[in-house]
Amino acid sequence: DAGVTQSPTHLIKTRGQQVTLRCSPKSGHDTVSWYQQALGQGPQFIFQYYEEEERQRGNFPDRFSGHQFPNYSSELNVNALLLGDSALYLCASSLYGGAVNEQFFGPGTRLTVL
Amino acid sequence: EDQVTQSPEALRLQEGESSSLNCSYTVSGLRGLFWYRQDPGKGPEFLFTLYSAGEEKEKERLKATLTKKESFLHITAPKPEDSATYLCAVQAINQAGTALIFGKGTTLSVSS
Repeated sequence: DAGVTQSPTHLIKTRGQQVTLRCSPKSGHDTVSWYQQALGQGPQFIFQYYEEEERQRGNFPDRFSGHQFPNYSSELNVNALLLGDSALYLCASSLYGGAVNEQFFGPGTRLTVL
Repeated sequence: EDQVTQSPEALRLQEGESSSLNCSYTVSGLRGLFWYRQDPGKGPEFLFTLYSAGEEKEKERLKATLTKKESFLHITAPKPEDSATYLCAVQAINQAGTALIFGKGTTLSVSS
C-alpha cells in the first residue's frame, strides 16, 4: 500500500520564477492538504482540497494556488517566487468526514529560491 | 487565535533517562490533538491522536496524555533511535476543513 508521494524531491529556482509541486495521496484518501515548513519551524497550513475544490485556506498570498484532479492527486503552484518561499513543502492526505482525522504526510519537496 | 506552544525547544537525554515533552494549546473548540515525529529532511510521521481530556495512548516507549489545556509526550527509557523532532498539532472544530495548527516542535537528542 503506497503512502503519500511527492515530486520532485528537490528543486532550485530563481526569484520571479514559477514552480509546480505534485502530490499523490495515500490509497483510499480523498483529501489533500499542503503545508510549508521553514527551517526550524513547524509546518504552516497553506490550503486543503476535497472534491476538486479548495475547502480551507491558511494565511498565504494569492501567489500560492492549487488544484485537485479527479484521481485525488494535487498540485501546488507558486508564482513570482521570493527568497522567503525557500522551504520544505509537505503534502498530507486524509479521509474527509471520517471518524478519525489523521493526516499522513509525504516526504516533502525541498524548494530553494536563489 | 488558535495556537500551540511546545516546550522545551530542545532536550538532551542519556539513554534510559525518561522525560516528558509539553504541548500547550489554545483552541476555540478541540476536534483532536496530534503528535508526529519528524526526522531531519523528512515528512512528519504520525504517532497519536487524542480527542478528549483524560485520554491516553501508548506506542512502544512513548505515551501521550491530554488535559483541557495541554498534552504530554512521555518517553520511557529512550534509545538513540528515538532522537528526532516531535511535533504537536491541534485541529479545531469551527473551521471549514481539517487544517492542523502546529507548534515549533521539540528536538530530542538521546546519547548512548
